Amino acid sequence: DTGVSQDPRHKITKRGQNVTFRCDPISEHNRLYWYRQTLGQGPEFLTYFQNEAQLEKSRLLSNRFSAERPKGSFSTLEIQRTEQGDSAMYLCASSFELGGYSYNEQFFGPGTRLTVL
Amino acid sequence: GENVEQHPSTLSVQEGDSAVIKCTYSDSASNYFPWYKQELGKRPQLIIDIRSNVGEKKDQRIAVTLNKTAKHFSLHITETQPEDSAVYFCAARSNYQLIWGAGTKLIIKP
Repeated sequence: DTGVSQDPRHKITKRGQNVTFRCDPISEHNRLYWYRQTLGQGPEFLTYFQNEAQLEKSRLLSNRFSAERPKGSFSTLEIQRTEQGDSAMYLCASSFELGGYSYNEQFFGPGTRLTVL
Repeated sequence: GENVEQHPSTLSVQEGDSAVIKCTYSDSASNYFPWYKQELGKRPQLIIDIRSNVGEKKDQRIAVTLNKTAKHFSLHITETQPEDSAVYFCAARSNYQLIWGAGTKLIIKP
């Protein structure tokens, strides 16, 4: 395991369908983050996990979005009833943190590009 | 909440010249400021970061300066090369998350 991986790399779906993305972090990393990035913008924080616990969720995150990290390793991000505005690149990142704050490098995966028709 | 503003949105410099990108943040409690480089179609990658207990950090051609009083930090790239062409993002840690700037597209002219 040499880096963060995400699957699928591309997803095209019709409006109203549900989609699920997977992220496999670097194995020794305890922190996992989900971001959304649209063209010309920086990554927008969605949520993060410390081991299996989801510690923070963006206020901007619709209740159609849910994320899990059941065993503290891989994570899934599900979007229900997709809308065209959900079209974006979904990035996963991981890091190792000893304390409560985020001081160490976040390593990013290649992203999943979602297109909602 | 925290807000990070980044300028300019596009920067075009002659190869060999220096490039400077500036960011300001609003949360005075922020104490960690990374810079990421993102090439077209690729993932963001950390190039340098600075913590609030120092005012400057340098790594070869790249340096970052931090002014906590004014709440701004800057990325300096000297002797720019074609491979420096990319989008650069600044970020500031607020609570438990990173707040990102909108990015600067750096173009290196031959």
